[in-house]
Formats: sequence, structure tokens, C-alpha cells
Amino acid sequence: GAVVSQHPSRVICKSGTSVKIECRSLDFQATTMFWYRQFPKKSLMLMATSNEGSKATYEQGVEKDKFLINHASLTLSTLTVTSAHPEDSSFYICSAQTSGYTSTDTQYFGPGTRLTVL
Amino acid sequence: AQSVAQPEDQVNVAEGNPLTVKCTYSVSGNPYLFWYVQYPNRGLQFLLKYITGDNLVKGSYGFEAEFNKSQTSFHLKKPSALVSDSALYFCAVRDYNYGQNFVFGPGTRLSVLP
Repeated sequence: GAVVSQHPSRVICKSGTSVKIECRSLDFQATTMFWYRQFPKKSLMLMATSNEGSKATYEQGVEKDKFLINHASLTLSTLTVTSAHPEDSSFYICSAQTSGYTSTDTQYFGPGTRLTVL
Repeated sequence: AQSVAQPEDQVNVAEGNPLTVKCTYSVSGNPYLFWYVQYPNRGLQFLLKYITGDNLVKGSYGFEAEFNKSQTSFHLKKPSALVSDSALYFCAVRDYNYGQNFVFGPGTRLSVLP
């Protein structure tokens, strides 16, 4: 149980284009989903938190107009990197939890998406 | 504010020997502590968590961790290491008073040598 998938696992795009990454909870309903960015040999940096049916909450320094997050259903959240630039190249990881208000909940992570912007 | 420290970037251990990956934390309220493991080019896999109760927590793949409130530590341990345990390990804390967000430690790379 508690499986989270991401699609695509790897994407290469040209500078200036937009890329959409999907995050799905396969066997549970995710009230809250999180998007992280991981730089090489670095820890995870939380980008934003999204609750189903409401706007995402972005961490300080993360451009909400550049990283569009949609959490339209209890099993799907999407991250769209708009007008991508080479510096957006990174490993993007999503996670999901069943409740939005219980701190004891475990976050279950997707396998990650490697984005390379040429 | 909450924070997590993993004082060792790298831990090397021989297969069959016990392993310890260290984690210390700082929170203003009650800590909820987690360990995750990451294999190359993969997401994080949940190992175990401490919420309340018994200070010794047992998790997946034979791992366990001990919550020590006085030392603000939550070290990950395994009695006998396997080569397949080689991976990147992250400790994370969630402060009850701050709600949902995890704060991750910088990670410790474990190498188990055959």
C-alpha cells in the first residue's frame, strides 16, 4: 500500500518550453501533496504544499508563476514548470499524505522526475 | 524553528557489522521523527517513524531507531549490514506546533563493503 507514482520519470526539453509532471497516489486518497526539488548530492527542498481543491502554498523564494501546481483530485497533483531554463534542471520529487491536518501522517514519496532543460 | 543535523556525510561499514547513522534534531514543540532511504535516481522510501510511546522504533528491512529526548537524537541502526543497504539516508522532523511540513537533514551516504 501507499504507492505514489510520477510521470514522466525523465524529461528533456528545450529552453523556453513548459513541462508538466504528474504525481498520483495509486492506492490511497491524498488530501495533501508536496513538491520537492533535489539538487545533486543535496537534501530535499520543499517547494510547495497543495491541498486538494485549493491553491498551493509556496515556500519562500519559489516563484508560483513559474512552478504551477494543481491538485484537482484526491489522487492527482501536477507541477508545471513554465518557460523552463537550464537552471530549472533538477530532480523533482512529490509526496502525498492522507490527511492535511495530522502531523503524525507519513509522507509517501514518488520515484522522482529528472528534468533536463537544454 | 525546526532543524535536523546528520553529522556524517558518509558512513562506511563492512557487511555483517552493525551500522549506525546519526541524526540530531531541534524543535520547539514535540518532535515527530522519520527516516527515509533513497536509492540512486529514485524517490524516498519510508523506513520508520517515532510519534510517541516506546523510544525504540522498529521499521522496514531490519532497521530500528532510538528516540533519545535528552540528547535530541534519533539514530538509525541495524544489527547486521547488507551490501544492499548502501544508499542515501535522510532523517526528517516534523514539529507538532508547526504543522505539516517536514524538515529534512542533509543526508548520509551509507556504503556497505563486501
